[in-house]
Amino acid sequence: EAGVAQSPRYKIIEKRQSVAFWCNPISGHATLYWYQQILGQGPKLLIQFQNNGVVDDSQLPKDRFSAERLKGVDSTLKIQPAKLEDSAVYLCASKNTDSPDAQYFGPGTRLLVL
Amino acid sequence: LAKTTQPISMDSYEGQEVNITCSHNNIATNDYITWYQQFPSQGPRFIIQGYKTKVTNEVASLFIPADRKSSTLSLPRVSLSDTAVYYCLVCDKEDDKIIFGKGTRLHILP
Repeated sequence: EAGVAQSPRYKIIEKRQSVAFWCNPISGHATLYWYQQILGQGPKLLIQFQNNGVVDDSQLPKDRFSAERLKGVDSTLKIQPAKLEDSAVYLCASKNTDSPDAQYFGPGTRLLVL
Repeated sequence: LAKTTQPISMDSYEGQEVNITCSHNNIATNDYITWYQQFPSQGPRFIIQGYKTKVTNEVASLFIPADRKSSTLSLPRVSLSDTAVYYCLVCDKEDDKIIFGKGTRLHILP
C-alpha cells in the first residue's frame, strides 16, 4: 500500500513570496490533515478535511494560509505572503474512517523563508 | 483533550529495555492512549494504542495502570535505530483530532 505522498520535499523562498505544497493521501482515506512542525516542537494541526469539506481550521492563519481538497483526494496548502516565522516542516496525514486507530503521515515539506 | 507530560529526553544503550512514562491526570473515560515515533526528516509513525492494562505488538508494549492517569511505553532491547522522538497522546477514538506535545527525545548509545 502506497503511503502519503508530499511534494516538494524542500522549498526555499524569500519573505513575502507565495508557496504551495501538495499532498496525495493514502487511497480511500477520507480524512486529511495538514500540520505545521517548527523545529524542536511537536506537529500543530492547521486544518482537517473530511472528504472535500473542512472539519476544523481553527488554528489556520487565514490571513495568509489557505488549503483546499476539491475532489476529496489530493490537497494543496498555500501560504501567501510568507513570513520568516513560517519556516517549518509541513506535514500531511490521512486516516481511514473505518480504522480510526492511527493517522498516517507523509515525509513532510521543509520550508525555509529567508 | 487531556494534557500529557513526558520527559524531554532520555539516553539509553543498545540492548537495554527502555521505558518512557507519560502522565495524563485528566484523561477522560472515552480517551485512548496512543504513542507515535518520529525519526529525523520523517513524519510521525503510529506505534501502539491502548485503553487499559497491557497492549503488546511487534514493536513495543504499553502498560496502563487501573487509574489510567499514566502509561508506560516499553521498548525491548533497543538498537541505535530506535533513536527518535516519542510522542504520548490522549484522544477520544471517535474524535479525529490529536494534539502533539514536545515528545521525548530518546538517544540510544552504542
